[in-house]
Amino acid sequence: AQTVTQSQPEMSVQEAETVTLSCTYDTSESDYYLFWYKQPPSRQMILVIRQEAYKQQNATENRFSVNFQKAAKSFSLKISDSQLGDAAMYFCAYRSSPFMNYGGSQGNLIFGKGTKLSVKP
Amino acid sequence: NAGVTQTPKFRVLKTGQSMTLLCAQDMNHEYMYWYRQDPGMGLRLIHYSVGEGTTAKGEVPDGYNVSRLKKQNFLLGLESAAPSQTSVYFCASSLSLQVYEQYFGPGTRLTVT
Repeated sequence: AQTVTQSQPEMSVQEAETVTLSCTYDTSESDYYLFWYKQPPSRQMILVIRQEAYKQQNATENRFSVNFQKAAKSFSLKISDSQLGDAAMYFCAYRSSPFMNYGGSQGNLIFGKGTKLSVKP
Repeated sequence: NAGVTQTPKFRVLKTGQSMTLLCAQDMNHEYMYWYRQDPGMGLRLIHYSVGEGTTAKGEVPDGYNVSRLKKQNFLLGLESAAPSQTSVYFCASSLSLQVYEQYFGPGTRLTVT
């Protein structure tokens, strides 16, 4: 079974600075997707960024980028120029590829326990 | 489009009572999911559905039942609520297995006393 581990329960960053959130995962599958979700105090789950395992290039979305190390099974999120609105819980999530016959996963997401990010003005 | 909506937003139950949480989506999505979120935990899958009339168990299905009689609705039932079911419940949907993004509802906070 796949597992996702976020080893930092809480992180803090100064406004305009850069912060990196860590995520490691365990799987025997060769093709899969990885995601970072943001959950602000409103509770709404918001997709921040995704990475397909077969792509070597790290995904980037504006101020958000990932460092995907497939061999090390590591998937960290870097937030540049941090803003007050970035304060939230951040969840790393794993999903099996729908194009591989792993059987039974049906696109289910497996989440880490989350990292609470605080942004100081 | 309203996206994914959940009813109710908050509920307090006494132990042994029953209730149904409603999830509705207006995006014509095939796949729907129910998750629960507990303090210090990520979201964990309770049940899911791959289409109208079909349901399947997720990681933590005990104490819950689900039904998908209409494509746009996915119901989560608690027949006899227990304090261990105090949690925030999220519904999500996705267009198909090949479309990776899941769209989440706003959540329902349930307290069982």
